[in-house]
Amino acid sequence: EVQLVESGGGLVQPGGSLRLSCAASGFTFTTYSMNWVRQAPGKGLEWISYITSGSSTTYYADSVKGRFTISRDNAKNSLYLQMNSLRDEDTAVYYCTRDVIAAAGSYDYWGQGTLVTVSS
Amino acid sequence: SSELTQDPAVSVALGQTVRITCRGDSLRTYYASWYQQKPGQAPVLVIYGKNNRPSGIPDRFSGSYSGNAASLTITGAQAEDEADYYCNSRDSSGKVVVFGGGTKVTVL
Repeated sequence: EVQLVESGGGLVQPGGSLRLSCAASGFTFTTYSMNWVRQAPGKGLEWISYITSGSSTTYYADSVKGRFTISRDNAKNSLYLQMNSLRDEDTAVYYCTRDVIAAAGSYDYWGQGTLVTVSS
Repeated sequence: SSELTQDPAVSVALGQTVRITCRGDSLRTYYASWYQQKPGQAPVLVIYGKNNRPSGIPDRFSGSYSGNAASLTITGAQAEDEADYYCNSRDSSGKVVVFGGGTKVTVL
C-alpha cells in the first residue's frame, strides 16, 4: 500500500524556519518525481515545489522561491521541504504528493498533511 | 504564469449530471487533472490526462476538453460526490503547476 506520511509541522514565529519531512513507503520511491502542495485554512490548493526522481531538477512557485528548498534522500525514501524566512501567509496544511508517471502535474497519492502555523 | 478559473459552486440533483469547467490558456497545451476533496481530508485524484481515471474511481467521472477549457463531468451524481473539486495543470512555461480556485459541488 502506497503511503506518504508528513511530519515536522508546528507553530513558528514570522521570520523563523521549519523543515518538513515526508516518509514514503509501498512503492519504488526512486522512480517518482515528488511535490509539495499547500492549503491555507479555508482556502484552495497551491502547488509550491517539485523535484525529479534523481534530484536533478527542482521548481518552485514564485511565492516561495528563494525561501523554500525541496530535497530528497532516496536511500531513506524521504522528501523534505526546508522553509526559511516564514511569513504569516505561509500558514497552511502542507501535503506531500507523488507524480503520476509520464503525467507530471497529476498527483495520484497525497499524504495526510502537516499543519504549519506562522504566528507571533 | 497562467491562471485557471473555476466557477465557485454548482449544485446537482441526485442522479443527474453535472459538468464542472476549468478555463485557462495553458489548457490549450497541457492536460488538466481533477481532484476531489471532502472536508478534513486530503484531495483525491479523479481524472488526469486526456480522460484517465485512477484505479478505484467510479466511471461516472469523466473528463473532456474544448479550446482553453477542461471539464469534469459526473454522470449520475451520488450523495458521496458532494465535495470541492479542483483542477490543475502546468503553466505555459511547463515548469510551474497552477490550481484552479475550486468548485463546491452540492448534491441536492
